[in-house]
Amino acid sequence: ETGVTQTPRHLVMGMTNKKSLKCEQHLGHNAMYWYKQSAKKPLELMFVYNFKEQTENNSVPSRFSPECPNSSHLFLHLHTLQPEDSALYLCASSQELSWGSYNEQFFGPGTRLTVL
Amino acid sequence: AQSVTQLGSHVSVSEGALVLLRCNYSSSVPPYLFWYVQYPNQGLQLLLKYTTGATLVKGINGFEAEFKKSETSFHLTKPSAHMSDAAEYFCAVKQAGNQFYFGTGTSLTVIP
Repeated sequence: ETGVTQTPRHLVMGMTNKKSLKCEQHLGHNAMYWYKQSAKKPLELMFVYNFKEQTENNSVPSRFSPECPNSSHLFLHLHTLQPEDSALYLCASSQELSWGSYNEQFFGPGTRLTVL
Repeated sequence: AQSVTQLGSHVSVSEGALVLLRCNYSSSVPPYLFWYVQYPNQGLQLLLKYTTGATLVKGINGFEAEFKKSETSFHLTKPSAHMSDAAEYFCAVKQAGNQFYFGTGTSLTVIP
């Protein structure tokens, strides 16, 4: 595997289900991100992990819970979601320095989530 | 906070015609600037980026963009559109720290 991979690619769940999205990066990067992509809206940054520490949480509802066990893996745990949470969830990674950097982010293909 | 404006959510061009996708940003300090492309059912792929130095940046697939500080713009161009260029294009800016700010995207249609 190369780059950034995400599983599953598609997920349909009911509002009472619990599921997890998985992201893995094979680039040796030290920062990972979760984004939500909805139609007609800018990409919404949800969570940032830098050196495995969560550094940003952009007012995301608690029904979304991230986990970063190591610098290569990132999970998004989902529970009691709402239909408006249906979207494409994108994972990304980058190599950052302590002061930030101008390095680009590398994206996975996304998980298309549908909440019924 | 940063903001990125992409004028025109949909752009249609004929095959072989010039492609121009517009991006303006708001920032008191010149940021780092990026263009990404997203094909259907795929993630975002970097087309090109501006960090420092030459203001005309060349990217993949024949695309280029010019950073104009006075106009706070970073428009994306390609001299001759190809059918394979049909996709969603996103402009993004980044300053200190990790955070990217993305525009709402421009959907490019290429007419045969």
